[in-house]
Amino acid sequence: GEDVEQSLFLSVREGDSSVINCTYTDSSSTYLYWYKQEPGAGLQLLTYIFSNMDMKQDQRLTVLLNKKDKHLSLRIADTQTGDSAIYFCAETYSSASKIIFGSGTRLSIRP
Amino acid sequence: KAGVTQTPRYLIKTRGQQVTLSCSPISGHRSVSWYQQTPGQGLQFLFEYFSETQRNKGNFPGRFSGRQFSNSRSEMNVSTLELGDSALYLCASSPNENTEAFFGQGTRLTVV
Repeated sequence: GEDVEQSLFLSVREGDSSVINCTYTDSSSTYLYWYKQEPGAGLQLLTYIFSNMDMKQDQRLTVLLNKKDKHLSLRIADTQTGDSAIYFCAETYSSASKIIFGSGTRLSIRP
Repeated sequence: KAGVTQTPRYLIKTRGQQVTLSCSPISGHRSVSWYQQTPGQGLQFLFEYFSETQRNKGNFPGRFSGRQFSNSRSEMNVSTLELGDSALYLCASSPNENTEAFFGQGTRLTVV
């Protein structure tokens, strides 16, 4: 089946690291994505990882993939107020061309 | 390189009317997908076009339709609008099939 789950809210202190977690069910996923959505805006592709990778790092962002547990995480180092947004975990797989999204995690930053 | 462009950004329609939304993908991209975002249902896949052919369709009624032109631009049409069609409609463009997808800013449709 197709299902992507993530927690709804996360609150972190400015300057700390944020870790947003996601689980998915389809073991044939080829791409796993993290998208960011700010209020009133579309979806910004933050990063993606191929299913044959374990980790990907891009500046402040680190994506970890545990294929055995079907668990994906996004770590944002040195979280800033501009990181406040909703973060969507998503997957797509080779037998279809659609993206399955999680419900989104709202990240809020405390001073 | 310009991003994905969706027009119009905002639209207000009356129940029973029909609406057409437009999406211009990133230059060189051949795949265009459409998604509906609502507070209750989240992001849901509508359909995907590649080289003018619909390759995949989500679980939406036949009132929702789309097409893709030879220049890869796409339109989606919703006929006989219902209040529940109020949503943010997002278009995504990809270079080829099953590659990374880039989204536009969306068209916010309000049905009154």
